[in-house]
Amino acid sequence: AQSVAQPEDQVNVAEGNPLTVKCTYSVSGNPYLFWYVQYPNRGLQFLLKYITGDNLVKGSYGFEAEFNKSQTSFHLKKPSALVSDSALYFCAVRDRRDRDDKIIFGKGTRLHILP
Amino acid sequence: EPEVTQTPSHQVTQMGQEVILRCVPISNHLYFYWYRQILGQKVEFLVSFYNNEISEKSEIFDDQFSVERPDGSNFTLKIRSTKLEDSAMYFCASSEEGSSYNEQFFGPGTRLTVL
Repeated sequence: AQSVAQPEDQVNVAEGNPLTVKCTYSVSGNPYLFWYVQYPNRGLQFLLKYITGDNLVKGSYGFEAEFNKSQTSFHLKKPSALVSDSALYFCAVRDRRDRDDKIIFGKGTRLHILP
Repeated sequence: EPEVTQTPSHQVTQMGQEVILRCVPISNHLYFYWYRQILGQKVEFLVSFYNNEISEKSEIFDDQFSVERPDGSNFTLKIRSTKLEDSAMYFCASSEEGSSYNEQFFGPGTRLTVL
C-alpha cells in the first residue's frame, strides 16, 4: 500500500535561512511525487512534481525538491526563506504501476518563517 | 489563471440532513475528484469521476455519498444523511488527463460542520 510520512508537524525557520520540509514515501513500484502548499482559506496549490529524470526538481516560488530513491525521500527545499512562505505543506505520492486515480497525501507540515 | 471553485465555503447542517457540495472544475479538465480532510488529519481520497461515471472510490465513499455532473460545468458531492463524523473540509479537484503524473488542481474547499 502507498503511504507518505511527513515526520515534522511544524518547522520554524528564520527569514533568509534555507528551509527543508521532510517527506518519505512507500510504494510498491516507482513513484510519482508531488508537493502541494495550502495557504489559509485557500485550496491546495501545486508546487512541483517528480516524474522521471533529474532527481532535483524545481517548482514554483523558488522551491525545489530532491528525489532520493535509496532513502525513499522527497524533501522540499528553498535556499532562502520568505515570511510569505509560511503555510501548510503536503507531500503526496502516486504509484506508477497503479491505475488508481487517487493521490496519497502526507499529514502536512506547517512551516513558520520568522521575520 | 483558471481555478477550481467551490461553494459554499462553509456549510452547517443538522445530523441526518442531506447536503450538496458544489464545485466548478477548470473548464478543459476531464477528470474530477473529491477529497476530504478531517480537522488535524490527512487529506483523504473519496472518489474520482470521468466520462460521467465514477472511475474509483475509497472505502469512505459509501452509499450515503454520491457524485454528479448535472451540467457542463458543475460537479457535485451529495451526502444523503449526514453524520457527525462527516464534519470535515471537502476539496474538489480536477485534472486535464488521468495519467498518474498529471497534477490535480484543487479548489479552496468547503468546510462542512454537522451538528
